[in-house]
Amino acid sequence: QSVLTQPPSVSGAPGQRVTISCTGSSSNIGAGYDVHWYQKVPGTAPKLLIYGNSNRPSGVPDRFSGSKSGTSASLAITGLQAEDEADYYCQSYDSSLSARVFGGGTKVTVL
Amino acid sequence: EVQLVESGGGLVQPGGSLRLSCAASGFTFSSYWMTWVRQAPGKGLEWVANIKQDGSEKYYVDSVRGRFTISRDNAKNSLYLQMNSLRAEDTALYYCARDRYAAPTSYYFDYWGQGTLVTVTS
Repeated sequence: QSVLTQPPSVSGAPGQRVTISCTGSSSNIGAGYDVHWYQKVPGTAPKLLIYGNSNRPSGVPDRFSGSKSGTSASLAITGLQAEDEADYYCQSYDSSLSARVFGGGTKVTVL
Repeated sequence: EVQLVESGGGLVQPGGSLRLSCAASGFTFSSYWMTWVRQAPGKGLEWVANIKQDGSEKYYVDSVRGRFTISRDNAKNSLYLQMNSLRAEDTALYYCARDRYAAPTSYYFDYWGQGTLVTVTS
């Protein structure tokens, strides 16, 4: 069981907007630690998508955006494209575990 | 261009040992924390261990503490993971990643390798 909770799957038609939630607790997201998001396409290395809650590394399309509030965070994908089909993971730091922690991952399916 | 290339994975029996390596290039290796992350078949990502720039601080997830040892050789731009007393549940694809800390609250991984597969089975 992951420290951060994500929905197992979300889906949307091309062009639509989907959001992925990431729920933590008072020892991680709620303690003020930043949330980061990774995209994982099967057979390839994870790719940093969002860091510091809402910042995009160079090269990441602005269709991807992140936000954080209280003990939760969200990743939004607008204008969904076929190439966005992948697994998405949130990640933060947990002070009670003294460890970097991940969510269980969310599979995004483009219908 | 930042590159991380893992090697050393393979098939090992329960109780056995394996040493993973990660060759880094394209950045000043000695200036960054480094991390190992794993993904078991059909499962999510799990942080395993990380190490400070000079090797003076090392941290582990509870499930591997006492069995795995992370180390680095800055002269060779290389990161290692010595895995002893391996268990079936250690079966996973092991990734090395560059570990970033932005004070005071941001800990994340900005570059990842392609991974090396470790299979523990009798």
